[in-house]
Amino acid sequence: GAVVSQHPSRVICKSGTSVKIECRSLDFQATTMFWYRQFPKKSLMLMATSNEGSKATYEQGVEKDKFLINHASLTLSTLTVTSAHPEDSSFYICSARPRGSGSHLTGELFFGEGSRLTVL
Amino acid sequence: AQSVAQPEDQVNVAEGNPLTVKCTYSVSGNPYLFWYVQYPNRGLQFLLKYITGDNLVKGSYGFEAEFNKSQTSFHLKKPSALVSDSALYFCAVRPGSSNTGKLIFGQGTTLQVKP
Repeated sequence: GAVVSQHPSRVICKSGTSVKIECRSLDFQATTMFWYRQFPKKSLMLMATSNEGSKATYEQGVEKDKFLINHASLTLSTLTVTSAHPEDSSFYICSARPRGSGSHLTGELFFGEGSRLTVL
Repeated sequence: AQSVAQPEDQVNVAEGNPLTVKCTYSVSGNPYLFWYVQYPNRGLQFLLKYITGDNLVKGSYGFEAEFNKSQTSFHLKKPSALVSDSALYFCAVRPGSSNTGKLIFGQGTTLQVKP
């Protein structure tokens, strides 16, 4: 249980185009999902907290108009990188916590497999 | 500021030897502590967590971690390392004062186990 799926796992796009990454909780509902960005051999940088049915909360320094987050349902959050540029190339990872798990705020997060974005 | 530190960028051990990956934290309130492992080009896998109770926590794949409040540490340990344990390890903390559930991650430690 507690499987998180990310799609696509790899995407290559041209500079100036937009790319959408999906994060799905396959066997549980998640009112909150988190989007991280990871640079090579570096730690995870939290970009934003995605809340179902409301606007995402972005971390300081993250451009909300650049990285659009939509949490349309209890099992799906999407990250759209708009007008992508080479510096947006990175590994993007989402995570989620099962809703109503009994340890809603103390429980661990479950992570997707990540999406590697390469902008040419 | 709330933070997590993993002072070692890389840890090298021989297969069969015990391993320790260090983690210290600085957060407000009682922390919730976690360890995750990441294999190349993959997401993070949960290993173990400390919320309350016994300071020694046992987790997946034979790993354990010891919570030390006075030293604000949560070091990851394994009595006998395997080559397959080679990966990137992250310590994470959720501040007790946080109501969002988001985690603060350390910078990661690469574990290299040699045959």
